[in-house]
Amino acid sequence: EPEVTQTPSHQVTQMGQEVILRCVPISNHLYFYWYRQILGQKVEFLVSFYNNEISEKSEIFDDQFSVERPDGSNFTLKIRSTKLEDSAMYFCASSEWVSGANVLTFGAGSRLTVL
Amino acid sequence: AQSVTQPDIHITVSEGASLELRCNYSYGATPYLFWYVQSPGQGLQLLLKYFSGDTLVQGIKGFEAEFKRSQSSFNLRKPSVHWSDAAEYFCAVGAPGGYNKLIFGAGTRLAVHP
Repeated sequence: EPEVTQTPSHQVTQMGQEVILRCVPISNHLYFYWYRQILGQKVEFLVSFYNNEISEKSEIFDDQFSVERPDGSNFTLKIRSTKLEDSAMYFCASSEWVSGANVLTFGAGSRLTVL
Repeated sequence: AQSVTQPDIHITVSEGASLELRCNYSYGATPYLFWYVQSPGQGLQLLLKYFSGDTLVQGIKGFEAEFKRSQSSFNLRKPSVHWSDAAEYFCAVGAPGGYNKLIFGAGTRLAVHP
């Protein structure tokens, strides 16, 4: 069964450092997303991406965040200067149309710990 | 604004017992509704979805959910729980059309006693 692959599974970084989280979406999917889950809290939408541009972003997705699809397979989330509160599990997802609606498939997540 | 409420943070059941996880949503129209499951160290796996039509939907692993418009609910059920069902369960709502950004509930952690 096709899956969304995320790397790294866990990253520890120092506050102020740049972090890049990588995702390989399912190959025939056209919509891509990043969500995050701070420990003990809800899974929150960060950003959606379609046709090589951001289609929607949440209030969380400020200037410190950026997304990119550098080639035909990868989808990355960059945090420019990490803060302690960026510590969370970050989920990548991609989606396809099923019966008239987009159905998201999620990756296993990348746990980011900012010290 | 859209929102999803899962009233139960933790639920413990005995293996073989029936299960119902509650989910209530707030949305202006009929949304798309989803249940995802997250096992330790795993991603979010889709259990089932409701878009329209029959309000009782069947999913994987023997789960089903019933959409009740009058109660704004989409409760997840399983007649007989297995130890492997221990996980965290998330209800989510999405807007019809478009790319379908999901709004998640806080999750319900299920423990299964042997």
